[in-house]
Order: sequence, then C-alpha cells, then structure tokens
Amino acid sequence: QQQVKQSPQSLIVQKGGISIINCAYENTAFDYFPWYQQFPGKGPALLIAIRPDVSEKKEGRFTISFNKSAKQFSLHIMDSQPGDSATYFCAASISGGYQKVTFGIGTKLQVIP
Amino acid sequence: SAVISQKPSRDICQRGTSLTIQCQVDSQVTMMFWYRQQPGQSLTLIATANQGSEATYESGFVIDKFPISRPNLTFSTLTVSNMSPEDSSIYLCSVELAGANTQYFGPGTRLTVL
Repeated sequence: QQQVKQSPQSLIVQKGGISIINCAYENTAFDYFPWYQQFPGKGPALLIAIRPDVSEKKEGRFTISFNKSAKQFSLHIMDSQPGDSATYFCAASISGGYQKVTFGIGTKLQVIP
Repeated sequence: SAVISQKPSRDICQRGTSLTIQCQVDSQVTMMFWYRQQPGQSLTLIATANQGSEATYESGFVIDKFPISRPNLTFSTLTVSNMSPEDSSIYLCSVELAGANTQYFGPGTRLTVL
C-alpha cells in the first residue's frame, strides 16, 4: 500500500515558470516530510524538509507548503531553471528513534529553455 | 551531513553470479540502510544494517538473496546473490545521523545482470 501518493509523475515547465509537485499521505503519525532531488546517475540528496507545526518553509527558490488537515504537502520551485531538471521524491517519516522513511513514487521534472 | 561512498559505481554481471557492494561513511553512524531503485521507480528499502547483529529485512527481501554485513559503524556491504536479470537495478546505501531524522544517500551502484 502506497502511503505517500505523489503527482504528477512527470512535469515539463518552461524556464522561469513555477514547478509544483504534490504529495498526500495517509498515516497521521508522520511528522517529518523531506523532499529529495535526484540527478541521473546520482543518489537522492536532501533538498528541503518540513514538520507539521509550520504551514510553509522556504529555502531560496524552493518552498514547501503543508496542509495538515488535508494531509497534503507540496513543493514549489519558483523561477525554474534547466539545472533543476531532476527527479524529485517526497517522503514521510515519524520522529523519535528510527522510523522507516516512506517515499513517494517520484516526479521527473524537465525545465525547457 | 555525511559523505558516503559506494563501490563499485556500476557493474555488468552474468546470471547466477554474486556481487558485493561496499558502502563507506566518513563518520560513525548508528543507522545504515540499503535500498533498491529499479529504473524509473521509487526507492524500496531492502534492509537495515545493524552493527554487530543481523540485518533487519523488509517484506519481500531475504537474507539468502541479500546478505548484509556491518562490521563497524562506518562500513557495510550488501551482496546480491545468484543474480538474475530482474536484479538489474540501482542499489543505494543511506545513513541516518543521530538526532537528524534525515537519511543521506550514497551515489548508488548501477547493476546490470545479463
């Protein structure tokens, strides 16, 4: 059972546009939501993360929006650049001791000039 | 964060053989994990590598097929045994730093089984 649903699976955005990737979770015990960026031939790298006590977190051009009541969170990439072309994974886990990280299916983003 | 290296970075193997993948971390970590990422797919946890004890395997993965060693807090190996073409995948190790609640991934090993 996929506990973190991610959409879309692929996304094409023009340079300078906004890329939006959405995720929804089922387990209300999740309290940590990281996003990973993966370039071809590389391992996933932590991009940005949020906890449910805040509704938004911004780091440069990357923003996570979090809606606890709807159990949804999203990644916005402002002023998208060709260098942002990568696969993005949302994830969810539970704090306190080790808990398995549940990953979304991934979104392949292509930013075209 | 942590610096994680994996060897080999890629390999092409024959059906029925075995391959051992190494994962080295630049600092001592409690938690190390092994994932499989099939082409165009998400990450699937194979097992948690426990230092000094047997690995903990996820449903669908067994020790005979994926034996894991964790001799110390900076090193682990994953062996893919008796390989078939279905084992062609990227294998990733990751670590969780104490108190970080975040996993950091190695560069992966791209395995092709003919």
